Amino acid sequence: GAVVSQHPSWVICKSGTSVKIECRSLDFQATTMFWYRQFPKQSLMLMATSNEGSKATYEQGVEKDKFLINHASLTLSTLTVTSAHPEDSSFYICSARGLAGGSHEQYFGPGTRLTVT
Amino acid sequence: AQSVTQLDSQVPVFEEAPVELRCNYSSSVSVYLFWYVQYPNQGLQLLLKYLSGSTLVKGINGFEAEFNKSQTSFHLRKPSVHISDTAEYFCAAYYGGSQGNLIFGKGTKLSVKP
Repeated sequence: GAVVSQHPSWVICKSGTSVKIECRSLDFQATTMFWYRQFPKQSLMLMATSNEGSKATYEQGVEKDKFLINHASLTLSTLTVTSAHPEDSSFYICSARGLAGGSHEQYFGPGTRLTVT
Repeated sequence: AQSVTQLDSQVPVFEEAPVELRCNYSSSVSVYLFWYVQYPNQGLQLLLKYLSGSTLVKGINGFEAEFNKSQTSFHLRKPSVHISDTAEYFCAAYYGGSQGNLIFGKGTKLSVKP
């Protein structure tokens, strides 16, 4: 149980284009989803927290107009990187927190490797 | 502000040797602690967690960790490592609240050599 998927696992896009990453909770309802960014050999940096049906809360320094987050249902959240540039290349990981279990339980997706050329 | 510190960025060890990965957290009345493992180009897999009760927690793949409140530590240990344990290990803490989130350490790269 508690499986989180991400799609795509790899994506290469050209500079200036937008790319959408999907995060799905497959066997539970996710009231809260988190989006992290991870640079090579570094830890996870929380970008934003989203609750189903509400606007996402962004961490300081994260551009909300560049990283659009939508959490329209209890099983799906999307991160859209708009007008991507090479510096946006990174590993993006989502995690989800469900209705069941404690508020501390977060389940992580496998990550999406974004390369902007 | 709450924080998690992993003192060792890299830990090289020979196969079948014991290993300890260190983690310290900032003190709080209530804290839950976690260890995650990340293999290259993959997401995070939960190794073990401490919520309450026994301070010695056993996890998957033969790992265990001990919660030490007085030293605010949660070190991860394995008595005998395998080549397949080579990965990045993250310690994380949850300080509570419905809007709370995990706070991660910077990670420790465990390299197991034959």
